[in-house]
Amino acid sequence: KAGVTQTPRYLIKTRGQQVTLSCSPISGHRSVSWYQQTPGQGLQFLFEYFSETQRNKGNFPGRFSGRQFSNSRSEMNVSTLELGDSALYLCASSSGTGGVRTYEQYFGPGTRLTVT
Amino acid sequence: DQQVKQNSPSLSVQEGRISILNCDYTNSMFDYFLWYKKYPAEGPTFLISISSIKDKNEDGRFTVFLNKSAKHLSLHIVPSQPGDSAVYFCAVGGGSNYKLTFGKGTLLTVNP
Repeated sequence: KAGVTQTPRYLIKTRGQQVTLSCSPISGHRSVSWYQQTPGQGLQFLFEYFSETQRNKGNFPGRFSGRQFSNSRSEMNVSTLELGDSALYLCASSSGTGGVRTYEQYFGPGTRLTVT
Repeated sequence: DQQVKQNSPSLSVQEGRISILNCDYTNSMFDYFLWYKKYPAEGPTFLISISSIKDKNEDGRFTVFLNKSAKHLSLHIVPSQPGDSAVYFCAVGGGSNYKLTFGKGTLLTVNP
């Protein structure tokens, strides 16, 4: 089975711009979660989607948004970029169908976003 | 307010010996507990999980122990190998909120 893929792997943007990151989950997985990793804060939950519906959202400003398509692929968007948005953005997929399988998440390699 | 704490930022062990990584959590509502390994420039790799109804789960060289009364879990790696050198994260989930909360990680170095 192919793993979770994320595109692009690296991105450099300027303050004020917006960015869209893409994630393709493992085949058959219907849940996609997004996390932000920074040296100071570690891995922090952004949001989780299942069957095109957002089921939970972390404590991030409204500039961070996401969506999921009918084929379970997901995108996240960050508008009006700030310097502090520089981070590794990780996507993870799981079956999402309940019990421990919901939480056994499989991560992609991440997108390294640098905001200048 | 850290709900998940890994108090040792780093750990160094000799090849062939046991590695013990520790994690403490604050919320008794968590149902599921997981360990991930992360190499530089890669996403975290799922290692092993345990649910709150068990106190031990074993998978090859990896064993996770859960002490619910102490709100503590640990990962034992026996025997440790140089390829195990990585950052290890514990993560907790549950309460049907569909998210994992991670500790800050412990850098394990296994010396040949």
